[in-house]
Amino acid sequence: EIVLTQSPGTLSLSPGERATLSCRASRSVSTSYLAWYQQKPGQAPRLLIYSSSSRATGIPNRFSGSGSGTDFTLTITRLEPEDFAVYYCQQYGGSPLYTFGPGTKLEIK
Amino acid sequence: EVQLVESGGGLVKPGGSLRLSCAGSGFVFSAYTLTWVRQPPGQGLEWVSSITTRGDSIRYADSMKGRFTISRDNARNSLFLQMDSLRADDTAIYFCARLRWGDDAFDIWGQGTVVSVSS
Repeated sequence: EIVLTQSPGTLSLSPGERATLSCRASRSVSTSYLAWYQQKPGQAPRLLIYSSSSRATGIPNRFSGSGSGTDFTLTITRLEPEDFAVYYCQQYGGSPLYTFGPGTKLEIK
Repeated sequence: EVQLVESGGGLVKPGGSLRLSCAGSGFVFSAYTLTWVRQPPGQGLEWVSSITTRGDSIRYADSMKGRFTISRDNARNSLFLQMDSLRADDTAIYFCARLRWGDDAFDIWGQGTVVSVSS
């Protein structure tokens, strides 16, 4: 089973700052099958990044993804007020077929 | 507008059954693999099950095998999740989602339907 670990659990930053969120896998994950999602309270998750580094439709370019193997990063440059939310990484292809990380809560400092 | 809309959630007693539905619109429903994901109250996301375009390949998370059954009706643009032998730990918001071609990211999500299992 591939286990995803996200750090930090909570990140406190101010609007305009840069956020760096980490996702670490217990075994190597194909870069094609690593995604990031944003979820705000009371809403469904929204796809931000697919294939480790490709932005989904309509996602601002302040969001970027990088990484390979077991270490992946979501970076948000110049935080906007609407960016404060919970972020999940997800992998495909292990066992179970899809797994999500526990999430990083990005909160306003 | 591309969208998925879930329905069928509710309160059910332990050991009971519930059938969730997910209606798709604004896209060629039959061309996409679909999936169910759940989120217990205050917790993270958990993949439940996926079904390919013609229903010829179906996968389940281990804790759902033998209790949950995923199916689809492409003629009615509908996805289903039959849930039997429900337990308290099945209490969650259940989301349906569409998979992107090629990399299987979940690109379109429904708003979710709430399932509560309690006596």
